Amino acid sequence: QKEVEQDPGPLSVPEGAIVSLNCTYSNSAFQYFMWYRQYSRKGPELLMYTYSSGNKEDGRFTAQVDKSSKYISLFIRDSQPSDSATYLCAMSVWLTGGGNKLTFGTGTQLKVEL
Amino acid sequence: EAGVTQFPSHSVIEKGQTVTLRCDPISGHDNLYWYRRVMGKEIKFLLHFVKESKQDESGMPNNRFLAERTGGTYSTLKVQPAELEDSGVYFCASSQERQTNEKLFFGSGTQLSVL
Repeated sequence: QKEVEQDPGPLSVPEGAIVSLNCTYSNSAFQYFMWYRQYSRKGPELLMYTYSSGNKEDGRFTAQVDKSSKYISLFIRDSQPSDSATYLCAMSVWLTGGGNKLTFGTGTQLKVEL
Repeated sequence: EAGVTQFPSHSVIEKGQTVTLRCDPISGHDNLYWYRRVMGKEIKFLLHFVKESKQDESGMPNNRFLAERTGGTYSTLKVQPAELEDSGVYFCASSQERQTNEKLFFGSGTQLSVL
């Protein structure tokens, strides 16, 4: 069983829609939860970072973490064609010697259509 | 400010050959990570440097992979000899501080194809 499960999509929505992206995880030791956005032929770019259960909002993006259910979500409001990308969830445990070893989901491919 | 730079962007080699990937982190970033994405799989951790020291190399697949970070600046990842299953995208990431909320900046990756 993978430590992090993420639906690969693809997910296609019309412009202006609310997008919901989700991941589940099995490792209770994960402390930090992130969402990355990756455009084609580019590296992942950090969108949201959180470490506690609850919601965190940044502009059109809201990250939600439910540690009791081992479930995280990313909501995108008023989606735009420029949001078309692959969205990766990532989780980590801070290592004793320092360092943030990330465990990624497989990524969900999102397309926002005009 | 320049981002994390990786080259080559693409490399096509034959099985048994040697390939060296290079990563130039953001200037001043002590932390440097290598990750890899094999086709159809998730991005996976390979190893972590703090300056020139390897802190964690638990993700390195086997002894055909050798990573170095000379003088704590750029890093190289050598695969020798390359096998078919080494094909994938190799990402480098760097961060400035050793804090739990460190922000990792990723390069665009090197697409490695072993034929």
